[in-house]
Amino acid sequence: DAGVIQSPRHEVTEMGQEVTLRCKPISGHDYLFWYRQTMMRGLELLIYFNNNVPIDDSGMPEDRFSAKMPNASFSTLKIQPSEPRDSAVYFCASRKREGGNEQFFGPGTRLTVL
Amino acid sequence: QQQVKQSPQSLIVQKGGISIINCAYENTAFDYFPWYQQFPGKGPALLIAIRPDVSEKKEGRFTISFNKSAKQFSLHIMDSQPGDSATYFCAATSNYQLIWGAGTKLIIKP
Repeated sequence: DAGVIQSPRHEVTEMGQEVTLRCKPISGHDYLFWYRQTMMRGLELLIYFNNNVPIDDSGMPEDRFSAKMPNASFSTLKIQPSEPRDSAVYFCASRKREGGNEQFFGPGTRLTVL
Repeated sequence: QQQVKQSPQSLIVQKGGISIINCAYENTAFDYFPWYQQFPGKGPALLIAIRPDVSEKKEGRFTISFNKSAKQFSLHIMDSQPGDSATYFCAATSNYQLIWGAGTKLIIKP
């Protein structure tokens, strides 16, 4: 299996622009998680999905952030408009419902908002 | 009550030494305690995990010690190697959402 795939790996944008991060989970996994990692705040859970349905979005910082999962093999995290404080590494992770608790992480997208 | 407190924030150990990272939790409903390892530029990856019905789990040079009454668990890395230099996260859960510690940056000096 190719593992969790994220794109782009690096994104540099200007304040006010729309940013879309993409994730392809491991085939057969039921849960998908979006995390944000910064030096100051560590690893923060933004939102997670079960069978494509958002379950808990309490970690989404504000209305500028939105996430979708239109099907089992694709999810997006959108920031509109972006701000410099959104600069971080964004990770997508997935796991199976049964057979273990391990979350498998993608390589991350490093976002820089100028 | 949902927090997992991790210490130290950073740790420097000589090659061949023992690295010890500690975590504490409050929620007695937690039933799964993993440790993740993260190298620069990579996502975290599961290293080792334990359930509260055992007090210790060992995989190679890595050992989790678990103290249910104290609500504490720790990661021990024996014979630490430069390749172990990474950031380590403890976590805990009782459902599908992991509660993460703040991370420990471990540096192994050759």
